[in-house]
Amino acid sequence: AQSVAQPEDQVNVAEGNPLTVKCTYSVSGNPYLFWYVQYPNRGLQFLLKYITGDNLVKGSYGFEAEFNKSQTSFHLKKPSALVSDSALYFCAVRAMDSSYKLIFGSGTRLLVRP
Amino acid sequence: DVKVTQSSRYLVKRTGEKVFLECVQDMDHENMFWYRQDPGLGLRLIYFSYDVKMKEKGDIPEGYSVSREKKERFSLILESASTNQTSMYLCASLAGGSDEQYFGPGTRLTVT
Repeated sequence: AQSVAQPEDQVNVAEGNPLTVKCTYSVSGNPYLFWYVQYPNRGLQFLLKYITGDNLVKGSYGFEAEFNKSQTSFHLKKPSALVSDSALYFCAVRAMDSSYKLIFGSGTRLLVRP
Repeated sequence: DVKVTQSSRYLVKRTGEKVFLECVQDMDHENMFWYRQDPGLGLRLIYFSYDVKMKEKGDIPEGYSVSREKKERFSLILESASTNQTSMYLCASLAGGSDEQYFGPGTRLTVT
């Protein structure tokens, strides 16, 4: 069965410090991986995706994610956090039996303190 | 910019009522989705549609139905609302051949 795990319910970081939001996945075959962000009272917004190619993927708002096949991980990173990055972050993997369906993790709340 | 709109931001209904949630997208996307979002559970797919009048069940279709009579509009129907359907409902659309789903702002439904 395909699944995505986000082991941390919440991540706290000080503004200006680097941040990491963790994601691990379980799929057969090559995964299509995504990160989405949800700001308060808003829908989800696409941040970045990994399909193939370089293991380091760059996305919106200065975020990047590192694909690690041996550790089945796709952690989201940013070198210097902003207070405005505080939001709910979701990792997702495309289901192998569908070109449309995404399987989402449980979400990680990022809190960046001034 | 793709815009996905949902008919209500907040909705309060009574147990047993029939509830309609409407979603409209303005980018001629073939695919549309309904999810529910619950704390600690992430997003779970209820139904999706890949064309007008076409639909497929997602992971949690029980208690829900959908309608897609026009390409731009995808409706979620709760035939008889129950308290366990209190949740945030998110609609999304996706162009054919694309990977990026576009989400609406969500409808927070409370069933009392």
